[in-house]
Amino acid sequence: DSGVTQTPKHLITATGQRVTLRCSPRSGDLSVYWYQQSLDQGLQFLIQYYNGEERAKGNILERFSAQQFPDLHSELNLSSLELGDSALYFCASSGLDRVFLRTEAFFGQGTRLTVV
Amino acid sequence: SQQGEEDPQALSIQEGENATMNCSYKTSINNLQWYRQNSGRGLVHLILIRSNEREKHSGRLRVTLDTSKKSSSLLITASRAADTASYFCGVTGANSKLTFGKGITLSVRP
Repeated sequence: DSGVTQTPKHLITATGQRVTLRCSPRSGDLSVYWYQQSLDQGLQFLIQYYNGEERAKGNILERFSAQQFPDLHSELNLSSLELGDSALYFCASSGLDRVFLRTEAFFGQGTRLTVV
Repeated sequence: SQQGEEDPQALSIQEGENATMNCSYKTSINNLQWYRQNSGRGLVHLILIRSNEREKHSGRLRVTLDTSKKSSSLLITASRAADTASYFCGVTGANSKLTFGKGITLSVRP
């Protein structure tokens, strides 16, 4: 168990709908990352938050948005869903070591999104 | 893009043999990490090497980093069928982004 919790585990929804994926990081971790994994695109970095603020942005579509709340949990919102958005969505969290360098990331088990 | 690119894409070996996987990246990095993923599950961290380190060991794993060539290799010695999985190289740059390549599929035949 990585200590990172993602809900729901599975989600089936129709095109055009909106869904929210939730992530609870490991206790004490301030950084949260979101990734999309599909067969043809590999593991795509979407966005990173650190202590409530957006830290880095990757290949995140305008239809997608995310936020990190004061209690450090994060949500990824996907709207106007298309068939191509079907994928595994992972959340990961990480902390800092004593010299403020990034440490390893701990991944949740993912949310499998199927858009029909 | 700074993301790591793994090589080869797929590797099939016999149990007991060593497996060597490579990763290259494009920009300067803070650290490089190797992860393992069993089918459809979350990535599991294996080993992290910082930009000022050249080699690290952890059990049957050995990772090297050559910052002049912007490359890293992961060696798994005495492989086991249970090592069958996908392996990803993750790079963290100064902007703290952690990005990955497409991964290497390792099959270890019993």
